[in-house]
Amino acid sequence: GAVVSQHPSRVICKSGTSVKIECRSLDFQATTMFWYRQFPKQSLMLMATSNEGSKATYEQGVEKDKFLINHASLTLSTLTVTSAHPEDSSFYICSARGTGGYSSPLHFGNGTRLTVT
Amino acid sequence: QKEVEQDPGPLSVPEGAIVSLNCTYSNSAFQYFMWYRQYSRKGPELLMYTYSSGNKEDGRFTAQVDKSSKYISLFIRDSQPSDSATYLCAMWTRSARQLTFGSGTQLTVLP
Repeated sequence: GAVVSQHPSRVICKSGTSVKIECRSLDFQATTMFWYRQFPKQSLMLMATSNEGSKATYEQGVEKDKFLINHASLTLSTLTVTSAHPEDSSFYICSARGTGGYSSPLHFGNGTRLTVT
Repeated sequence: QKEVEQDPGPLSVPEGAIVSLNCTYSNSAFQYFMWYRQYSRKGPELLMYTYSSGNKEDGRFTAQVDKSSKYISLFIRDSQPSDSATYLCAMWTRSARQLTFGSGTQLTVLP
């Protein structure tokens, strides 16, 4: 089955620093990856859609200068939280669509718990 | 009205029980339906994926889709404590940019 690997699983950083989260599709190529944020006991909130070789598409209300997304290859997308603040503390999850285009389901990474102190 | 409605629970059942999880939706254009299981502090894991009305079975899990009633269900037979998790339904149309999720149902299976 399609495997999505996300790293790190947990990170603690100081306010004002930047944090990079990696998302890799291990056994398939993903032209499109998605980044979600999840608050405790809530469902997933889409932040942005990452397209290989082009700019990411951000959802309304998501600051693109704060959440930098790079999708430089067909197997890797990165999310960088710049100048992190305590309110950015959350659970970030990436996903990728399997081969087969729009008819393929999304497969998710195991998430990154970010804590900003 | 939300596009996808899912009973948030929590739902608590004894081990061995049959569990029924349900979602209703309002957008008749939804074509693809998924059920995900999410353990605490983990990413969602795909359990079932279907795109046609009817039943699809995989081991102890059965996904049911009724497009005429805009209703999907996930049945878990012989439930185990390891099934304790949050279950998310999700769906999309071919032209949609993103999945539409239900709010999730928290399930606890008691030993």
